[in-house]
Amino acid sequence: NAGVTQTPKFQVLKTGQSMTLQCAQDMNHEYMSWYRQDPGMGLRLIHYSVGAGITDQGEVPNGYNVSRSTTEDFPLRLLSAAPSQTSVYFCASSYGTGKGNTIYFGEGSWLTVV
Amino acid sequence: AQSVTQPDIHITVSEGASLELRCNYSYGATPYLFWYVQSPGQGLQLLLKYFSGDTLVQGIKGFEAEFKRSQSSFNLRKPSVHWSDAAEYFCAINSGNTPLVFGKGTRLSVIA
Repeated sequence: NAGVTQTPKFQVLKTGQSMTLQCAQDMNHEYMSWYRQDPGMGLRLIHYSVGAGITDQGEVPNGYNVSRSTTEDFPLRLLSAAPSQTSVYFCASSYGTGKGNTIYFGEGSWLTVV
Repeated sequence: AQSVTQPDIHITVSEGASLELRCNYSYGATPYLFWYVQSPGQGLQLLLKYFSGDTLVQGIKGFEAEFKRSQSSFNLRKPSVHWSDAAEYFCAINSGNTPLVFGKGTRLSVIA
């Protein structure tokens, strides 16, 4: 059971480039989300999805796109990378957000935009 | 809207001393509460969670937390800190159908 898998683990981008952070889970979880972590800011929600075909914005969605075509995958797209998007990104999944649902996190993706 | 406040950005304790990390939340009803730990360069590990029932929750690595509704708090405690506990600690909150909201974290340093 792989849990939540994020790729790549490390990436350096030039300003203006686009890229996709991949997130996959093999637990048949309906709920998936993306967070970014910045020093002194904790983890802030970028986008989330409550099931295939359904996505919604979190606290800091600007500059990012998501889609959820399958239950397993929830990629995060940076359309035109900016230095302000230098951060650590975490993907998470769970059966739902309610009582008793353990939230599983990926190991993180370290992104640097130069 | 839900929010979490961790008042202490950085705490330093001596090895063997007791520890208390503060967490206050804002939410109209009783939320679900979590504490996560993150070692440098690592992902997040769940220490403990509170959903209902006994307000004193036991977690892994000897940690416990107490939910106090009257104070809107969920403080994390450990009776005797080990050097390996040095890490960043995050309090988080959600309700039945909302995403997890995190505090800004408290960095714990442990000195000999």
